[in-house]
Amino acid sequence: QKEVEQNSGPLSVPEGAIASLNCTYSDRGSQSFFWYRQYSGKSPELIMSIYSNGDKEDGRFTAQLNKASQYVSLLIRDSQPSDSATYLCAVQTGANNLFFGTGTRLTVIP
Amino acid sequence: EPEVTQTPSHQVTQMGQEVILRCVPISNHLYFYWYRQILGQKVEFLVSFYNNEISEKSEIFDDQFSVERPDGSNFTLKIRSTKLEDSAMYFCASRPPGLTGADTQYFGPGTRLTVL
Repeated sequence: QKEVEQNSGPLSVPEGAIASLNCTYSDRGSQSFFWYRQYSGKSPELIMSIYSNGDKEDGRFTAQLNKASQYVSLLIRDSQPSDSATYLCAVQTGANNLFFGTGTRLTVIP
Repeated sequence: EPEVTQTPSHQVTQMGQEVILRCVPISNHLYFYWYRQILGQKVEFLVSFYNNEISEKSEIFDDQFSVERPDGSNFTLKIRSTKLEDSAMYFCASRPPGLTGADTQYFGPGTRLTVL
């Protein structure tokens, strides 16, 4: 059974702060990792993908991957109220299917 | 920017009825997926489809479910004899061909299925 674990939150941060979201996964053979953002009642929207150990930055977002620890994280710098959403960690298996975590609900307080 | 589209946005049906959920993937994509999300729960993989056949299916995707690509653009999910527990948001996704870096799946807006 492939598991993807996330702290469900809610995580509250003040506007302008750094939000840190974490995810662990069980399948050591996983190769591709994704962070999606989901607003209530909407579909998942891709924020970042990461495939290699280390950091990957895109604007205010930084994804971090540590395959040895089976750990993926997402940092959001200068958090904005519009960042308030549920953040989904997804892991892609060799069959190219995505396994999602339950998501972390983030609230950015103005 | 190309996007995945789904119809209808909301489908209400009676228990035991058949429903067909429709998706139009992004035009140059070759891999297609259906996921579902029961209210308040995580997104769950149902089935993947490539080259006009099912690549993989989850335990959820039993004989009640079927998928089809009836023409060059549509991708459908049929649920026969719907049950109350089939009530969920159903997402279609597609991804382009290619190597790593093209693994990203793009999701449609979803169809909310309500079974009464």
